[in-house]
Amino acid sequence: NAGVMQNPRHLVRRRGQEARLRCSPMKGHSHVYWYRQLPEEGLKFMVYLQKENIIDESGMPKERFSAEFPKEGPSILRIQQVVRGDSAAYFCASSTPSGRGWNEQYFGPGTRLTVT
Amino acid sequence: AQSVTQLGSHVSVSEGALVLLRCNYSSSVPPYLFWYVQYPNQGLQLLLKYTTGATLVKGINGFEAEFKKSETSFHLTKPSAHMSDAAEYFCAVSGRNTGNQFYFGTGTSLTVIP
Repeated sequence: NAGVMQNPRHLVRRRGQEARLRCSPMKGHSHVYWYRQLPEEGLKFMVYLQKENIIDESGMPKERFSAEFPKEGPSILRIQQVVRGDSAAYFCASSTPSGRGWNEQYFGPGTRLTVT
Repeated sequence: AQSVTQLGSHVSVSEGALVLLRCNYSSSVPPYLFWYVQYPNQGLQLLLKYTTGATLVKGINGFEAEFKKSETSFHLTKPSAHMSDAAEYFCAVSGRNTGNQFYFGTGTSLTVIP
């Protein structure tokens, strides 16, 4: 059973370009979460999605950032007009709808975005 | 609201010595608590979790943690450090009413000295 897949693993963008990060959840998982890890910091929650729905985007910056999880295909985190402060590692996690009140999240290897 | 504090961003121990990584949380409701390990350039791997029941939980690689409600703590321990334990460790909390969002501490980098 393949784990959470993220691509690309490394992405370099110039200021003003767009960055697209992809996440394929584990087989059978219908929930996806995106986190951002800035240098020397912990992971910060960005957004929680189910198929075709954004459930919680309270951690997303108000501008330039968007996320989707279509019915078919991977989840996409899009950053428009990137700035140097967007340089970070972006992690995706996935889970099942456990119904237990908590979801065990499985993390991908991350995409390291560098903005030059 | 939930938050996590990890005391000590860097911890060094000798090989074979006790590992103690500290985690304190604040939560308005009884929390779910997790420890993750991150090796260089890799994603996070779950070490152990506390959700309910026994307050002393055992995880992979010989690690364990104890949930102490009175101290709002969930410290991670391992009796004898191994070189392969060198990594970044993150404590995370999730609330019972907001089970989908994890709040992470800033991490503790563990160095094991031969």
